Amino acid sequence: DQQVKQNSPSLSVQEGRISILNCDYTNSMFDYFLWYKKYPAEGPTFLISISSIKDKNEDGRFTVFLNKSAKHLSLHIVPSQPGDSAVYFCAASEDAGGTSYGKLTFGQGTILTVHP
Amino acid sequence: EAQVTQNPRYLITVTGKKLTVTCSQNMNHEYMSWYRQDPGLGLRQIYYSMNVEVTDKGDVPEGYKVSRKEKRNFPLILESPSPNQTSLYFCASRIIGGASYEQYFGPGTRLTVT
Repeated sequence: DQQVKQNSPSLSVQEGRISILNCDYTNSMFDYFLWYKKYPAEGPTFLISISSIKDKNEDGRFTVFLNKSAKHLSLHIVPSQPGDSAVYFCAASEDAGGTSYGKLTFGQGTILTVHP
Repeated sequence: EAQVTQNPRYLITVTGKKLTVTCSQNMNHEYMSWYRQDPGLGLRQIYYSMNVEVTDKGDVPEGYKVSRKEKRNFPLILESPSPNQTSLYFCASRIIGGASYEQYFGPGTRLTVT
């Protein structure tokens, strides 16, 4: 039972254009969402996160949108750069109030390729 | 430099031969966790630890053991590896009670069991 789903295994984008990566979840108890980026032969690195009390969080070229009613979040990268080519994982946590359990449930990942 | 280290990075072994993958973090994090990454399945949690001597099962604990005798170390033990444990393994850590649930990941250990 996949509680966090990334239905697009891959995405190809031209440099300078917008990349939109999508993620759907089924567990309504999730209250914190994160995006991680992973390069080959490296561990995932944190990119951006959003709490369920917000619907948008922005950090430079990266913006995450959360639609709680649709149980959907998306990551926008504008403008896309060749160095953004990587696997992107969305993750969700059902911990509330920082109580510490902190388990992350991950999606399957989306391979983003940005062409020069 | 703040980091999570894992050793070995690559390991090929045979069915039934006990092995240990080490994990160490230098950030004084209370929480540590092991994940495995498999194609089409993302990362799935194997075991986690809230602090020294406190460990619990994740989603896929069968065939694995862990221990947490020191705060910085969290080794993953495969007592009798089988081919279905061939995977890419990641150790992660985070601070407890912080503002976010961000976990810091190690570089990964690619394990092949023949």
